[in-house]
Amino acid sequence: GQQLNQSPQSMFIQEGEDVSMNCTSSSIFNTWLWYKQDPGEGPVLLIALYKAGELTSNGRLTAQFGITRKDSFLNISASIPSDVGIYFCAGPGGGSNYKLTFGKGTLLTVNP
Amino acid sequence: GAVVSQHPSRVICKSGTSVKIECRSLDFQATTMFWYRQFPKQSLMLMATSNEGSKATYEQGVEKDKFLINHASLTLSTLTVTSAHPEDSSFYICSARYHSKLSNQPQHFGDGTRLSIL
Repeated sequence: GQQLNQSPQSMFIQEGEDVSMNCTSSSIFNTWLWYKQDPGEGPVLLIALYKAGELTSNGRLTAQFGITRKDSFLNISASIPSDVGIYFCAGPGGGSNYKLTFGKGTLLTVNP
Repeated sequence: GAVVSQHPSRVICKSGTSVKIECRSLDFQATTMFWYRQFPKQSLMLMATSNEGSKATYEQGVEKDKFLINHASLTLSTLTVTSAHPEDSSFYICSARYHSKLSNQPQHFGDGTRLSIL
């Protein structure tokens, strides 16, 4: 089946720094999704990408759909303490039921 | 924005008890809902796909008689963990996607249910 490799696994940064994380897939995706999960809560959709080469922003967050359609990155600029959490990339898992395949997540810690 | 409500948020019960978790889409119709399980420091693992008006589709290794799923309406799916044991303790999360033929509609997640079996 399809696999997503997400890196890095964890990051420890100072408030104000920029952050970058990425995902690569073993097969071509037609959609890339980025979610954030706070402790004890469900994931929240941050950005959805639907077209190769697409660059989309949501406030301080920017994500791009790789031109090869096998990768995507998420950047966070000027990090703040509330950016702490786990960030997941996700893409279509195949089949007809619109399943998603998730990366293993990037745990972000922001030191004030 | 889309809202998915999951209830209860936390359950603590004795071994052998059956536990029902509800997932509701509050402001949209969801013909398809999904149930995930998440262990500490791990990613989400899809358990089953819940289709309104038909039987759920379970992922490999998930016992359908253990995890009963009912999707009786376009806004409600339930997961019942039958005869729960300590190894069933986990964080269960549901998601729903808009009723759409477009394959790229994202899933929206509930806030999860922390299940603890003593």
